[in-house]
Amino acid sequence: DAMVIQNPRYQVTQFGKPVTLSCSQTLNHNVMYWYQQKSSQAPKLLFHYYDKDFNNEADTPDNFQSRRPNTSFCFLDIRSPGLGDAAMYLCATAGVGYNEQFFGPGTRLTVL
Amino acid sequence: EDQVTQSPEALRLQEGESSSLNCSYTVSGLRGLFWYRQDPGKGPEFLFTLYSAGEEKEKERLKATLTKKESFLHITAPKPEDSATYLCAVRYHNAGNMLTFGGGTRLMVKP
Repeated sequence: DAMVIQNPRYQVTQFGKPVTLSCSQTLNHNVMYWYQQKSSQAPKLLFHYYDKDFNNEADTPDNFQSRRPNTSFCFLDIRSPGLGDAAMYLCATAGVGYNEQFFGPGTRLTVL
Repeated sequence: EDQVTQSPEALRLQEGESSSLNCSYTVSGLRGLFWYRQDPGKGPEFLFTLYSAGEEKEKERLKATLTKKESFLHITAPKPEDSATYLCAVRYHNAGNMLTFGGGTRLMVKP
């Protein structure tokens, strides 16, 4: 089945220790998104790619970076995680001309 | 300012007790309204897309409707497995592929 896959599902890191979260998709969608979701809150868009064109939200901290080496993969790098970065990180995709975004299962990040 | 507001924030129902969740929006140039279901610790699962006032979509016990200012998600005879957070999101003109999410409604259905 076509799907959005996120790895790992759970990530524990130490304060200030860089961490990379991974997303892959078999939907061949042009657009990939990274969201941050904290407990009982709506997903908050961090950035998205339209093909290789990177779009950063204005309030996304510089601590968050992203890479998309090809259509299928996208990475979220957190350079120096703080306690406030503990959250669920969601990857989503959308095809050109389609409105729906399809989400992966998420990566739960814990910062110690 | 473009906004999406969901109500109530939380809803507790008895099994079989039908009810509706509300999503009101103040965006200009609606390009689509989306309903998602999210279970604890998981990513949102796509349910419906609505594009124009008067449109309705159904799936099992769920029915989504749309007016010019709001959308309702009707749940008929809910079961405990319908317990989840239901998220509403809109895509509007000039927002490209971006979605604006509401805060969600946490639904709990008691047996």
